[in-house]
Amino acid sequence: NAGVTQTPKFQVLKTGQSMTLQCAQDMNHEYMSWYRQDPGMGLRLIHYSVGAGITDQGEVPNGYNVSRSTTEDFPLRLLSAAPSQTSVYFCASSYERGYGYTFGSGTRLTVV
Amino acid sequence: EDQVTQSPEALRLQEGESSSLNCSYTVSGLRGLFWYRQDPGKGPEFLFTLYSAGEEKEKERLKATLTKKESFLHITAPKPEDSATYLCAVINAGNMLTFGGGTRLMVKP
Repeated sequence: NAGVTQTPKFQVLKTGQSMTLQCAQDMNHEYMSWYRQDPGMGLRLIHYSVGAGITDQGEVPNGYNVSRSTTEDFPLRLLSAAPSQTSVYFCASSYERGYGYTFGSGTRLTVV
Repeated sequence: EDQVTQSPEALRLQEGESSSLNCSYTVSGLRGLFWYRQDPGKGPEFLFTLYSAGEEKEKERLKATLTKKESFLHITAPKPEDSATYLCAVINAGNMLTFGGGTRLMVKP
């Protein structure tokens, strides 16, 4: 089925550990982005990419890295996990920045 | 800074009881307003895009309207399967997207 696939669905990390959240889409969308969703805060943009080889920071980029080597994949790396990074993370893609996003089902991350 | 405020935060309705959700916004150069539906444990699902004041879009029991300062999502004769969180977002002249905090809708049979 066409869409955005995120893995893993759940993850528990210890403070200081690193990990990569995977995101893949099969719709040939140029634009991909990562959001975090926290209670009462809405969805906040972490990083985004307008095409392979091009990435930029969003509203809350600190502590996260991204790269985009292919159109399909856009992984999010947590360099040294902190409890403040406990959240639900969503990857989204679209044909154009801002319009008609398709979201993945999310990764629920807990940092202890 | 663009801002999107949704109200109420939560809304409980009886099946068949129509109501409206509100999305108020301040944005520099509105290019579009979006409504998404989010079910528990899932990502948001795109519903509508509105581009200019006076525009309306409909889908089943949902109708979205737009004015210069706010948007309404009207739900007519809701069913329990309409229970979800509804998110509003605006995109500005620089293609920056800002989401509201959402309205959690619960429809009781």
